[in-house]
Amino acid sequence: GIQVEQSPPDLILQEGANSTLRCNFSDSVNNLQWFHQNPWGQLINLFYIPSGTKQNGRLSATTVATERYSLLYISSSQTTDSGVYFCAVAGAGSYQLTFGKGTKLSVIP
Amino acid sequence: SAVISQKPSRDICQRGTSLTIQCQVDSQVTMMFWYRQQPGQSLTLIATANQGSEATYESGFVIDKFPISRPNLTFSTLTVSNMSPEDSSIYLCSVEEREQFFGPGTRLTVL
Repeated sequence: GIQVEQSPPDLILQEGANSTLRCNFSDSVNNLQWFHQNPWGQLINLFYIPSGTKQNGRLSATTVATERYSLLYISSSQTTDSGVYFCAVAGAGSYQLTFGKGTKLSVIP
Repeated sequence: SAVISQKPSRDICQRGTSLTIQCQVDSQVTMMFWYRQQPGQSLTLIATANQGSEATYESGFVIDKFPISRPNLTFSTLTVSNMSPEDSSIYLCSVEEREQFFGPGTRLTVL
C-alpha cells in the first residue's frame, strides 16, 4: 500500500514564529488532506489539496503531486496551533485514507 | 460539510465485554469509514461500512472482533467485541464527500 512519511516528528516553536511541515508519499494520489488534531482529540480539516496551492488565513499548503510531497506552512504561530498535524492520502482509485505518523507541534508563549 | 456525531463520547469497560459505538450523519452519504487511534499513535483504517452489504475490512481487522452495521445512508455502528486492554483507543467514524470529515471520536478505556 501507499506509504506516508511526515517530518519533523516533533516541533517546538516560540509564539509568532513560522514553520513548515512536510509530507512525502510513495505513489500517485487522488486525495491528500491535512488535519489538525487538537488536545481533545478532535480532527479538524485544514486542507483538501491533492495538487496545487491553497491558503486559509495564517495557514497555507502546497502539494507537488509529480514529486510526491506536500508542505504545510504555519505563519505567526499561536499557542492554539499546538497539537498534532496529520497528512493523509488516498491512492489512485481508492477512497481509503492512509495517515502519516503526524507532527506534534508545541507553541510556547 | 456533513455534521457527524458519535455515541458514546467515552466509556470505561471491563475486559471480556463488548461496546457498540454509534455514528450518525446529518445527510445521506455513500462512503463511511471506521478508524482506530491507539494512544500516542496515528489513525488506522479498520473498515469501510457499506450500506446494505458486509463491511470491507483492512488487513489485521476481522468481522468477529469488529462487527459493523450500516442499515441506511446516515447511520453506522461499530462493535468492539470481547475487549482487552489493548483495545483501549479512540475510535472515529468518517464520511467521504470528496474529502473526508471525521466525527468527534469515542475514547475507550478497557480495564
